[in-house]
Amino acid sequence: DVKVTQSSRYLVKRTGEKVFLECVQDMDHENMFWYRQDPGLGLRLIYFSYDVKMKEKGDIPEGYSVSREKKERFSLILESASTNQTSMYLCASSLSLGGSYEQYFGPGTRLTVT
Amino acid sequence: QKEVEQNSGPLSVPEGAIASLNCTYSDRVSQSFFWYRQYSGKSPELIMSIYSNGDKEDGRFTAQLNKASQYVSLLIRDSQPSDSATYLCAVNQLGAGNNRKLIWGLGTSLAVNP
Repeated sequence: DVKVTQSSRYLVKRTGEKVFLECVQDMDHENMFWYRQDPGLGLRLIYFSYDVKMKEKGDIPEGYSVSREKKERFSLILESASTNQTSMYLCASSLSLGGSYEQYFGPGTRLTVT
Repeated sequence: QKEVEQNSGPLSVPEGAIASLNCTYSDRVSQSFFWYRQYSGKSPELIMSIYSNGDKEDGRFTAQLNKASQYVSLLIRDSQPSDSATYLCAVNQLGAGNNRKLIWGLGTSLAVNP
């Protein structure tokens, strides 16, 4: 079974803090994704990576950056947390081989910025 | 803007009935289609993938794909209260040299009443 883990289930940070969210997958997937999910807005893609050190902006990259130094690990960074970044953050991974592109999700991190 | 649309619901069915969830998509060249189940407060879980026209069955779940009409549906037979969740439809986006992303619907909330 694919396993995607995220560093924290719940996180509370103060406005202006730098926040790191970590995601690790154990299935040698090339692709990794960071989403945020808010009521009524669905899943919105922040950034994704298709290889080590490679990244592409998603639909809402402003205020975020990412890092992928190893294939299994993809980090999301909030440079200066703001209250409008309070959300559920979901990491996912997928395999390109065979063209399936099924994404598998971690358990999520519920971030509250006060 | 390529879109995936679902009725938000809630769709309410009695226990033991068939629940029918529908999804339409706008990108005619989409090739991969996915149904995810998301319980409240949890992350999405892949339940079905379908790649070619017709029906695909897995236990109580059947996915139906009609590319000519650009819709994909999910049938849940013998619905159980444990099926109560939000069901997300996702479609593989092609083009622009990157077909790793999925385009997500906002989800349909299903309530199965005992």
